[in-house]
Amino acid sequence: AQKVTQAQTEISVVEKEDVTLDCVYETRDTTYYLFWYKQPPSGELVFLIRRNSFDEQNEISGRYSWNFQKSTSSFNFTITASQVVDSAVYFCALPQDDMRFGAGTRLTVKP
Amino acid sequence: EPEVTQTPSHQVTQMGQEVILRCVPISNHLYFYWYRQILGQKVEFLVSFYNNEISEKSEIFDDQFSVERPDGSNFTLKIRSTKLEDSAMYFCASSPGTDNEKLFFGSGTQLSVL
Repeated sequence: AQKVTQAQTEISVVEKEDVTLDCVYETRDTTYYLFWYKQPPSGELVFLIRRNSFDEQNEISGRYSWNFQKSTSSFNFTITASQVVDSAVYFCALPQDDMRFGAGTRLTVKP
Repeated sequence: EPEVTQTPSHQVTQMGQEVILRCVPISNHLYFYWYRQILGQKVEFLVSFYNNEISEKSEIFDDQFSVERPDGSNFTLKIRSTKLEDSAMYFCASSPGTDNEKLFFGSGTQLSVL
């Protein structure tokens, strides 16, 4: 079975701190994709990134970076210099005929 | 940027009543989905739809649920006889290709069953 585990239920940081959200996955597929979505307090689901299992290079997009390690089946997400607007629930997801989401990590960034 | 549209944004109904949640996916997308999120909980897959039929459904999607694409643009989720535990945010999503493609989500319909 395929599944995604986000062990951190809630994280609270102070603005400008760096924060890493963990995602560990299980899959029997040799080729797969992993996703991160953000759900801000307004409720919508916002796509952040899609990574192919062939590409283990870390990706950076502004203050966001992703560390994909197949050896540990992890796809962690780091926010550098966090801001209050980063406060949201972040979901890691792994497609299995449909998009299966992890339980989510609620990040609160305090001013 | 094109977006998935859901109506209404909030629906209140009495237990036992039928509700229809409406979605207009992005026009050139081929795959359509419904997800739900009970308050404070994870986003749960309900059903996927492709080529005018259900391609996958979860254990949540029982006989009380049905989906339909009545015309070329709308994609609906019907709950025949609502229960209190159906209260949740329901998200519609579409994608241009397979499940490995990014999903584009609507802003959701908050269903409250009283």
